[in-house]
Amino acid sequence: EPEVTQTPSHQVTQMGQEVILRCVPISNHLYFYWYRQILGQKVEFLVSFYNNEISEKSEIFDDQFSVERPDGSNFTLKIRSTKLEDSAMYFCASSHIIGQGNYGYTFGSGTRLTVV
Amino acid sequence: KNEVEQSPQNLTAQEGEFITINCSYSVGISALHWLQQHPGGGIVSLFMLSSGKKKHGRLIATINIQEKHSSLHITASHPRDSAVYICAVRVQSRDGNQFYFGTGTSLTVIP
Repeated sequence: EPEVTQTPSHQVTQMGQEVILRCVPISNHLYFYWYRQILGQKVEFLVSFYNNEISEKSEIFDDQFSVERPDGSNFTLKIRSTKLEDSAMYFCASSHIIGQGNYGYTFGSGTRLTVV
Repeated sequence: KNEVEQSPQNLTAQEGEFITINCSYSVGISALHWLQQHPGGGIVSLFMLSSGKKKHGRLIATINIQEKHSSLHITASHPRDSAVYICAVRVQSRDGNQFYFGTGTSLTVIP
């Protein structure tokens, strides 16, 4: 069964450093998403991406964040200058068409980001 | 303010029991998702629905748009169903579509 692949599974970075989280969505999917989950808290939507541009973003997704689909297969989330409160599990997801099927979305297994 | 409320927060059931998890939301939505988060953290999308009822195996999801309420049912529960079940809604706003998540229902099924 097709999977969404995220790398790395765990990243530790120093406060103020830039990090890039990588995702390889399912190849025929058209919509891409990033979510985050701070430990012990609920999942939060960050951004959705379609047709090579951001289609929606939440209040969390400020100027420190950016997304890119650099080569037609990868989908990246960049945090320019990490803060301690950016420590969270970051999930990538993709979908073929909004509303497709029972499942809607396929999620990656997540990248745990720890900012020290 | 929570746009999405789930109940119960925690649920323990004996293997074989019929389980219901409830989700209420306070905003107009274009779709509602039920997600399963495994103990290791991975998330699986179970259902996306905007009306009526959907079934997949032992799982059934229903939604009542007028009452702003959805339920997830698990028939003949099994220990492997133990996970956190999350309700999420897609809301159309002037800024585009936004997604709001419930805090999840932690289900433990005892053999």
